[in-house]
Amino acid sequence: EADIYQTPRYLVIGTGKKITLECSQTMGHDKMYWYQQDPGMELHLIHYSYGVNSTEKGDLSSESTVSRIRTEHFPLTLESARPSHTSQYLCASSEFSGHEDGYTFGSGTRLTVV
Amino acid sequence: DQQVKQNSPSLSVQEGRISILNCDYTNSMFDYFLWYKKYPAEGPTFLISISSIKDKNEDGRFTVFLNKSAKHLSLHIVPSQPGDSAVYFCAGLTGGGNKLTFGTGTQLKVEL
Repeated sequence: EADIYQTPRYLVIGTGKKITLECSQTMGHDKMYWYQQDPGMELHLIHYSYGVNSTEKGDLSSESTVSRIRTEHFPLTLESARPSHTSQYLCASSEFSGHEDGYTFGSGTRLTVV
Repeated sequence: DQQVKQNSPSLSVQEGRISILNCDYTNSMFDYFLWYKKYPAEGPTFLISISSIKDKNEDGRFTVFLNKSAKHLSLHIVPSQPGDSAVYFCAGLTGGGNKLTFGTGTQLKVEL
């Protein structure tokens, strides 16, 4: 039973469209993260949040933006999608230290921009 | 600059035998190391972790060994089962649990 939910699972969209990838968790975790993964590559951190109204950029530069208005909700937005944004986007959350149980990941959104 | 490296993109093992997945790192500031398992079209699932001050941690069929002087860790799965077939990611954790850095993953295939 998943405690972190991502929608949609798959999205094919045209260039220039605005999209929002949804991520919600029911565990009350303060820390939430967005990772991007291309096939056969490592997961790259693109955004993270320590709590409500806290957002930071990760290691990999991304044209996406995030918001954290509620603890349970951490949506990612692309204002104008491009083919270079085609990737898998994974949302995660964690407790204070993140190592006892690791990060809990959602099932991901596979985005294809045509 | 890839801080966590998994040099074997794939590994094939027979059911019942031992699977050994390797990982090297360059960042001495990692506090913990974690292993994740990932099936296609799903998010990674946490398997096991080890503190940087330990050299071994065991949980059921999974054991992680850390050689800090060599900056190397390995995940042993004994006995391997067909359901273990997945991509395994090694990751290092820094900054009080605030930052998880992943390797590129190793595709494990357990054959009957």
